[in-house]
Amino acid sequence: ETGVTQSPTHLIKTRGQQVTLRCSSQSGHNTVSWYQQALGQGPQFIFQYYREEENGRGNFPPRFSGLQFPNYSSELNVNALELDDSALYLCASSTGQGALGTDTQYFGPGTRLTVL
Amino acid sequence: SQKIEQNSEALNIQEGKTATLTCNYTNYSPAYLQWYRQDPGRGPVFLLLIRENEKEKRKERLKVTFDTTLKQSLFHITASQPADSATYLCALRGGTYKYIFGTGTRLKVLA
Repeated sequence: ETGVTQSPTHLIKTRGQQVTLRCSSQSGHNTVSWYQQALGQGPQFIFQYYREEENGRGNFPPRFSGLQFPNYSSELNVNALELDDSALYLCASSTGQGALGTDTQYFGPGTRLTVL
Repeated sequence: SQKIEQNSEALNIQEGKTATLTCNYTNYSPAYLQWYRQDPGRGPVFLLLIRENEKEKRKERLKVTFDTTLKQSLFHITASQPADSATYLCALRGGTYKYIFGTGTRLKVLA
């Protein structure tokens, strides 16, 4: 086990609703990244937070937003849910931040979101 | 466009044999590349990191090679066991803070 926890484990929402997913990072880790993984695909980078600031973002619309708290835990919020948002949402924590770091990422178990 | 390709077809091998998985990339010049293991319904687990100036890296039964000329990494599992059955993902830095993952290759080791 990595020490990264996510909640809830599973979630079912309907199109147009909003959802908040939560992640507690591994002790000592100050960086959290969020990924979306569709069935049969690799994880797609959504964004990364370092010390409560977003410092990198993938190709996701603004309705995907996040927060990082002083204890380095994090939330992913998705507004106006669409059917294609159905996926496994993963958070990963790490200690490094910056271009030269080889920050190994420690993933949580994920939240399975189903949008009907 | 930037792309990472892994063999999307499942790889079935007999127990005891060596499994070899391929990761090819285009339009990147990564300083390092990582390999992860993912079991169904779970998050990826980090296995190995190899830097651009390293040709080969080993960890127990695992071996990774990195050829920056061919833009390819090979991941080997020697003396494979049924417990090695999983999806294996390669990942590299696609920008300062952005990791790019391949689609993964599903390995099944037959007893």
